[in-house]
Parts: sequence; structure tokens; C-alpha cells
Amino acid sequence: AQSVTQPDIHITVSEGASLELRCNYSYGATPYLFWYVQSPGQGLQLLLKYFSGDTLVQGIKGFEAEFKRSQSSFNLRKPSVHWSDAAEYFCAVGVHDTGNQFYFGTGTSLTVIP
Amino acid sequence: NAGVTQTPKFRILKIGQSMTLQCAQDMNHNYMYWYRQDPGMGLKLIYYSVGAGITDKGEVPNGYNVSRSTTEDFPLRLELAAPSQTSVYFCATSRRAQNTEAFFGQGTRLTVV
Repeated sequence: AQSVTQPDIHITVSEGASLELRCNYSYGATPYLFWYVQSPGQGLQLLLKYFSGDTLVQGIKGFEAEFKRSQSSFNLRKPSVHWSDAAEYFCAVGVHDTGNQFYFGTGTSLTVIP
Repeated sequence: NAGVTQTPKFRILKIGQSMTLQCAQDMNHNYMYWYRQDPGMGLKLIYYSVGAGITDKGEVPNGYNVSRSTTEDFPLRLELAAPSQTSVYFCATSRRAQNTEAFFGQGTRLTVV
């Protein structure tokens, strides 16, 4: 069965510091991987996605993520965090099955301190 | 384009009442989904549809029903609301393709008291 694990429930970083959010997945075939961001009271916005090819993918708002097949990981990174990055971040796996199933992690809440 | 539109944004129901959460999309996507989001639990799939007239259960379908009479609309029906259905509900869509993401509405926050 497919599953997504985000081991960090909450992370606090200082503005300007670097950020890494962890994501591990369990899936038998080549996964489609996503990171979404959710601001308070809002829907989920796609940050970036990996389907194939270059394992380092660039997204919006200066985020990037690296797919490591050997570690079953897809960690999200940002070199310098801005106060506006405070939000909930979700990692997801897409499975091309009946209807393109998407499986989400439990999320990581990011707090940015001045 | 509006994308994925959910109505209402907020609703308070009494135990035992019924209601329908509306979801409409203008993206011409074949696939549509309903998720619920609870604190610390991520998103759980309630129901999904691969096209008009076709629906199927997700992980947590109990207490809900759906229909898909058109490509654009995918309403979620709650019969006999229970406190356990207090949650934030998200409608999402995707294209009928392998390498595609899900597109989300803004959500409906439902409280059952």
C-alpha cells in the first residue's frame, strides 16, 4: 500500500535561515511526487512536482526538492526562509490507478521567527 | 477561469441534519475528488469520480454520498450529520493523464454541533 511520512510535525526556523522538510514515501513503482503548501484558511497550492528526469526539481517561491530513490525520499528545501513562508506543507504521492490517486502525508507546520 | 469552486465556505450543522457541499470546476478535468482534512491527519480521500456517472469510494466514505451527473459538478452529500464529520472539506480535480497534479478548491469548514 502507498504511504507518505512526514516525520516533522512542526518546525521553527529564523527568517533568513535555510529550511529542509522531510518526506519519505512507500510505493512499489516509480512515484509521482508533489509538495503542496497551505496558508491558514486556504486551499492547497502546488509548490513543485517530480515525474521523471532530473532528480532536483525547482518550484515556485524559491523552493526546490530532491528525489532520492535509494532513500525513498523527496525532501523540500529553501536556502533562505521568508516570514511569508509560514504555512503547512504537505508531501504527496500520485499513483496512476483508477482516477489518479493522491496520497498525502500528515503535514509539517512551519513557523518563521524574526 | 475560476478553477475549482466550493460552496459554502463555512457551515454549522446540528446533529442529524443533512446538507450538500457543492463543488464546481471549469477546468474540463475528468477526475474529481473529495477530501477531508483533520488536524494532524493530513488529507483523507472520501470519494472520487473518473467521469460523469462514475463514482467510487475512497478511504473514509461512511456517512457521505456523492453523485456526478456532469463533468463540471461533484456534490458531496452528508446525511444525518455527526460530530465526527466536523472537518475541513476539499474538492480537487485532475486531468486524465499520468503525470498530473491535483488542483484544489478553497475548502468548506463544517462544524457539527
